[in-house]
Amino acid sequence: DIQMTQSPSSLSASVGDRVTITCRASQIMNSYVNWYQQKPGTAPKLLISGASSLRNGFPSRFRGSGSGTDFTLTISNLQPEDFAIYYCQQTSSRPHSFGQGTKLEIK
Amino acid sequence: QVHLQQWGPGLVKPSETLSLTCVVSGGSFNSYYWTWIRQPPGKGLEWIGDILSTGTTNDSPSLKSRVSMSVDTSKNQFSLRLTSVTAADTAVYFCARGVDTGYVGSYLDYWGPGALVTVSS
Repeated sequence: DIQMTQSPSSLSASVGDRVTITCRASQIMNSYVNWYQQKPGTAPKLLISGASSLRNGFPSRFRGSGSGTDFTLTISNLQPEDFAIYYCQQTSSRPHSFGQGTKLEIK
Repeated sequence: QVHLQQWGPGLVKPSETLSLTCVVSGGSFNSYYWTWIRQPPGKGLEWIGDILSTGTTNDSPSLKSRVSMSVDTSKNQFSLRLTSVTAADTAVYFCARGVDTGYVGSYLDYWGPGALVTVSS
């Protein structure tokens, strides 16, 4: 099974900051990484697919990048609505495992 | 707009079988990977498995063959059964639609709201 190691597990930042969340895969993969945003009591929402494709409904301050084993989610100019938990997911091979999640909190 | 809604008992006794069903509305049922994910309280997401409308399934080895999935294309719904449950299976269970891009993997674009299943006597 492919393991996705996500870091940091939590992150405290202020409105207007820029933050980066990282996922490292245990095997080399193509761009088979997605990012999801989850707010309390709700289902996750697809944020980025194929490592870098921003999904409709999310602003351009969200950016996904990476290849090989290392993938990043960068959020620029943090807004209050961005404080949530973020998960990466690999779909290179089943089981389509998730990272442990990063809780982004307001400083 | 695609909508997924799941249902099933919210309380299951240890050693019994957990059963959930998810119905899909507002879109095609064919050519997607209908997926189950769970999230223990306060913890992260765990991929359980998926099933095509043809009935082909994939499930997570970590659940050690306790999982079975089925699909009913006439009703646009799919189901999950998890046998021999323990307290460790207490979680919010989500159903979701998986899209295979064919070149950059797949993704889960629509999710049900989640259903809390508690395993307790």
